[in-house]
Order: sequence, then C-alpha cells, then structure tokens
Amino acid sequence: DQQVKQNSPSLSVQEGRISILNCDYTNSMFDYFLWYKKYPAEGPTFLISISSIKDKNEDGRFTVFLNKSAKHLSLHIVPSQPGDSAVYFCAASAGSSGSARQLTFGSGTQLTVLP
Amino acid sequence: KAGVTQTPRYLIKTRGQQVTLSCSPISGHRSVSWYQQTPGQGLQFLFEYFSETQRNKGNFPGRFSGRQFSNSRSEMNVSTLELGDSALYLCASSLDGTGRLFFGSGTQLSVL
Repeated sequence: DQQVKQNSPSLSVQEGRISILNCDYTNSMFDYFLWYKKYPAEGPTFLISISSIKDKNEDGRFTVFLNKSAKHLSLHIVPSQPGDSAVYFCAASAGSSGSARQLTFGSGTQLTVLP
Repeated sequence: KAGVTQTPRYLIKTRGQQVTLSCSPISGHRSVSWYQQTPGQGLQFLFEYFSETQRNKGNFPGRFSGRQFSNSRSEMNVSTLELGDSALYLCASSLDGTGRLFFGSGTQLSVL
C-alpha cells in the first residue's frame, strides 16, 4: 500500500526548459511534504518543503505546489540545468506539523536534463 | 561542520549472518533515523531515535534493531540475514526530529 506515489519513473527535459515532477498521496493525515534529490552513491539531499497550510513554496529555481483537495504535489524546476539530473524523491510526514520523525517516501523519479 | 557519517560504505555478508552498521550524526543533532532503500523502491523507514530512546518504528521484522548512544551516535543491527536484506541503508539526522533530515551516503549491504 503505497501512500506516496511518484508515477513517472523517469523524465527527460531540455536544458533551460521547465521540469515538472509529480507526486500523489493517499493519507489525508500527511501535513508536511518534502522533496529530496539523490545522486548515485550519495545520500539524498533536501531541496524544498511545504506545510499543508500553504499551497506554494518557492526557493530560487525550485517551486513546490500543493493541492490538498487532489492530494497532489508537484516540483517545478525553472530553468532546468544538466546538474539537476538526479533521482528526485517526494516525501511526506503526519502528526505535528514539521515533524520528520517518520517520512514516507515515493519511489523516485529519475530526471535527466539534456544539454 | 561535518556531515552524517556512515560506516562501512560497503558490506558483503552471507545468509544467516548478522551485521552492525554505524552512524555518526551531525554535531548537535539528537535525532537519528534509519531508512532502507532497495532497487525500484523508495526509502522505507526503519526507526528513529532521540536521546537514546526509540520514538518510532517502521514495519520491519524484529531482526532489525537499533540503538543510540549518549553521544547521539547510532547503530543498526540486522540478525539472521536474508537475501532480501540486500539494500542501501541510509542514516539521517536532525536537530530534534522536525523539519528536514540530513542523510549520510549510506551503507550498501549485499547478502549472498
């Protein structure tokens, strides 16, 4: 029973264009969402997060959108750069807002940015 | 500030053996979590420790256990290894379990 789903295992975009990574969740108790990026042979690194009280959070080239009614969030990267090529994981947590005691991760999306 | 350090980086064991993985969190971080990543799967939560106490446990058999020491360093133990335990084991730390987690590079365990 996957509570966090990333239905696209891979995505290819051209350098300079927008990358949109999607994530769906089923647990309505989730109230904090995060995106992590992972390069081979390294641990995941935090990108951006959003609390359920917001519908958008922006940090430089990265923007996360949350649609609570659809239980859907997306990560937009504009403009995409070759260095963004990595596996992107969506994660969610429930309970007290901001708690990262137990993150539930999606299966990841491999983003490839073509020069 | 040094990041999260996991040792060893690679480990090869045979079925039935046991293994201990080590994690040193970022200095000042008191929460340590462990995750398992297998091919094609996302990261699956194993357990979380804070001030030497296990606060949360994921849906894994009792063969998986852990502990945290007074200096916040943590160890994870897997007994009676099975082929399906082959995975990347990731440790993450945070100040108090809230907000973002900082991950180590992981220990790649292969069970033959």
